[in-house]
This record gives sequence, C-alpha cells and structure tokens, in this order.
Amino acid sequence: GENVEQHPSTLSVQEGDSAVIKCTYSDSASNYFPWYKQELGKRPQLIIDIRSNVGEKKDQRIAVTLNKTAKHFSLHITETQPEDSAVYFCAASNSGYALNFGKGTSLLVTP
Amino acid sequence: KAGVTQTPRYLIKTRGQQVTLSCSPISGHRSVSWYQQTPGQGLQFLFEYFSETQRNKGNFPGRFSGRQFSNSRSEMNVSTLELGDSALYLCASSSSTGDGKYFGPGTRLTVT
Repeated sequence: GENVEQHPSTLSVQEGDSAVIKCTYSDSASNYFPWYKQELGKRPQLIIDIRSNVGEKKDQRIAVTLNKTAKHFSLHITETQPEDSAVYFCAASNSGYALNFGKGTSLLVTP
Repeated sequence: KAGVTQTPRYLIKTRGQQVTLSCSPISGHRSVSWYQQTPGQGLQFLFEYFSETQRNKGNFPGRFSGRQFSNSRSEMNVSTLELGDSALYLCASSSSTGDGKYFGPGTRLTVT
C-alpha cells in the first residue's frame, strides 16, 4: 500500500521566517495531495491541496510544490506568524477515497 | 453551510463492550470516510462510504464496521472493544470526487 514519509517531525522558526515541510510517497498512482493543519484539541483543517497534473499551487502565504518524478511534495509557509504554530499533516491518495497520511510535523513559530 | 458534526464527542467504555459513533456530513456531500488518530500511529484510514456503499477499507480488523444511510449520515461500530481502540475517531466528508475532505471534531473514545 501507499507509504507517506514526512520530515521534519518538529520545526521551530522565528516569526517572519519561512517554513518548509517535505513529504515523499511510494505509490506512483497517487494523484491527489492535500495538507492539513491541526491545532491542539481541534480537528484537522484542510489548508491547501494539489492534483498531480499541477506542479505548484499558491494561496496567500502558503504554497505546495509537487515533483511527480521524484515522488515528493512540499509545503512552504512564508512570513510565518505565531498562529501558524500547529501540527501539519501531508497526505496522498490514488483514488480520492482514502487518504494516506504522513506522521505529522509540529511547527512552532516563536515571536 | 454547517460543518461536519460527530456525536458523541466523548465516550468511555469498558473492554469487551461495543460502541457506535455517528457522523453527519456537510450538506450535499455524499462521501463520508472515517479515520483513527492516535499519538503512536497517527491518522489511519478506516473506511469510506459513498451513496450507502463502502468503496474502500483500511487495514483494521473486522470488529470495525460502518454504514451509511440514504441521507449520507454515517455510523461506525466497534465491537469487543480493546484497550488499544482508545483513540480520536474522525470522520470526513467530501463531494463525489473525494477531493477536499473536511473533518468533523471527532469522538474521543477511551476504553478502560
């Protein structure tokens, strides 16, 4: 089955810096890659997603890039703010039915 | 639109008992999927339903089952509870393509 690896597991940045989280996937048939943000005690929240026919997608301070050949995708957050502190999960799917999640990255943005 | 809702929010059960969790999707969403979240294993896929049919199932024992009703509401059932079933159970709804899954607040199940 699909295996999604996510790095780093923890990331600490200063407010205003950029943060990058990377994921690799094993199933070349995967074609949908969402990212979720989960604050403590809250539900995972979809923040951005990308399909395999697109190489990059941007939404304000958040961007996702996809390299199908290398089977990896990354989340980029620019101008980080303390409210960006949360656990971020990447996921991959080859059908849309089931999401295979990475283990998560705990991001801490310090003022 | 109202978001995904789940009931109950918290549940304490004893080993060997069974439990039923409920999920109401976003209006118009016909796909409902279930995930188990634990600190050790992270988020793991349980199963997904669309128009009352199970389209996909994860690697969980047969004690875990689910169903979907004609109004797209879904239930999952866990029989013969084990201590290791203690987890946050999340459901997510999406349109027919499966893209854009939105999660409910989860049901925190504790098995003692």
